[in-house]
Amino acid sequence: SYELTQAPSVSVAPGQTARITCGGNNIGSKSVHWYQQKPGQAPVLVVYDDSDRPSGIPERFSGSNSGNTATLTISRVEAGDEADYYCQVWDSSSDHPKGVFGGGTKLTAL
Amino acid sequence: EVQLVESGGGLVQRGGSLRLSCAASGFTSSNYDMDWVRQAPGKGLEWISYISSSSRTIYYADSVKGRFTISRDNAKNSLYLQMNSLRDEDTAVYYCARDFSSRLDYWGQGTLVTVSS
Repeated sequence: SYELTQAPSVSVAPGQTARITCGGNNIGSKSVHWYQQKPGQAPVLVVYDDSDRPSGIPERFSGSNSGNTATLTISRVEAGDEADYYCQVWDSSSDHPKGVFGGGTKLTAL
Repeated sequence: EVQLVESGGGLVQRGGSLRLSCAASGFTSSNYDMDWVRQAPGKGLEWISYISSSSRTIYYADSVKGRFTISRDNAKNSLYLQMNSLRDEDTAVYYCARDFSSRLDYWGQGTLVTVSS
């Protein structure tokens, strides 16, 4: 089955740039979506189809995807960006397609 | 405003059953595919099931296949998850989400299912 690998945690000083990666076999051939989840809240879509932003999501959030790694980049990190971030793809490689989430990365603004 | 509201969670004994509901509003639910995603306490997100807008196509995660059944009633703007033979590891917050081209663009607030031995 298809697996997505994320680092458990990333720390960055406020105002700096955070890069959260999502590894998967030839993930560059898939559409990657990213979700932000704050404690006690439901996830929120922040980037879809590798690099598009839903309305209302700040331009500070951007994404890229190539080869075996997709990356969510958060520029000028703010304290309010502290959250868990999950990548997600749809794995259609078998007769039984499945949604797949990465294990999540906790972003801490130091 | 798009809203998804889950209900039906609660405490259930191991081996028991529970039916979750998800009420959709603010959009034409019959035009959208839907998913269920769960999150065990302190753990990450786990996708568990998908249903197409017409109910013709349904998929399940291996962890719930044969025990859970997803369904929908477009006339009632509702999504369901029938959960049977519940196990300890099914304890989680269950979210319904709107699926637009594989991205989950709106989520409910979740409903907690606790399986007790």
